[in-house]
Amino acid sequence: EVQLVESGGGLVQPGGSLKLSCAASGFTFSNYWMHWVRQGPGKGLVWVSRVNSDGAWTHYADSVKGRFTISRDNAKKTLYLQMNSLRAEDTAVYYCVRDQGGDAFDIWGQGTKVTVSS
Amino acid sequence: DIQMTQSPSSLSASAGDSVTITCQASQDINNYLNWYQQKPGKAPKLLILRASTLETGVPSRFSGSGSGTDFTFTISGLQPEDIATYYCQQCDNLPLTFGGGTRVELK
Repeated sequence: EVQLVESGGGLVQPGGSLKLSCAASGFTFSNYWMHWVRQGPGKGLVWVSRVNSDGAWTHYADSVKGRFTISRDNAKKTLYLQMNSLRAEDTAVYYCVRDQGGDAFDIWGQGTKVTVSS
Repeated sequence: DIQMTQSPSSLSASAGDSVTITCQASQDINNYLNWYQQKPGKAPKLLILRASTLETGVPSRFSGSGSGTDFTFTISGLQPEDIATYYCQQCDNLPLTFGGGTRVELK
């Protein structure tokens, strides 16, 4: 079964850090670009970041540029999102997403919740 | 950034009705437009890519059309299991952007 399973979410204070992980299974992880998409409480979907298949190219939304870092370990079939200098507005469910090609998101994880609050 | 304006933000329809959602891009995005369905408490699901291509396994009552800046998503014969929020997403330019969503409810 094709699956993405996120972990690492939780409660963190403003200014703190958190690292999300996403374990992939059921497909050849190294063949696919991967993304993080987030959804604030009661809000819509917001694209956060993407990484190409070998990890060489990364792109970020302006709202997280310089604070978040996307990376991947193809040997471990795992995608990461290192989040630093967290703000209240980063509070959201973070989804790990597979790109089937052309930035169409065909496989989604179940999401991991990040709450930034004092 | 490309702004995606979805309308309506919510709608109520009866089972069997045809439902239409529109999505307008702030600039020409060719046909680089995808549609997703999100049920409460669940992750989104890809329904249509490149404006009109049905994703594998998606029922044929779902359809999409349009190009340039104006796009339409239709459910032909609403089913109770279609109750969800639907999002459009442009994939023509970074940053990738989504519409605000359309909540579909049963009357």
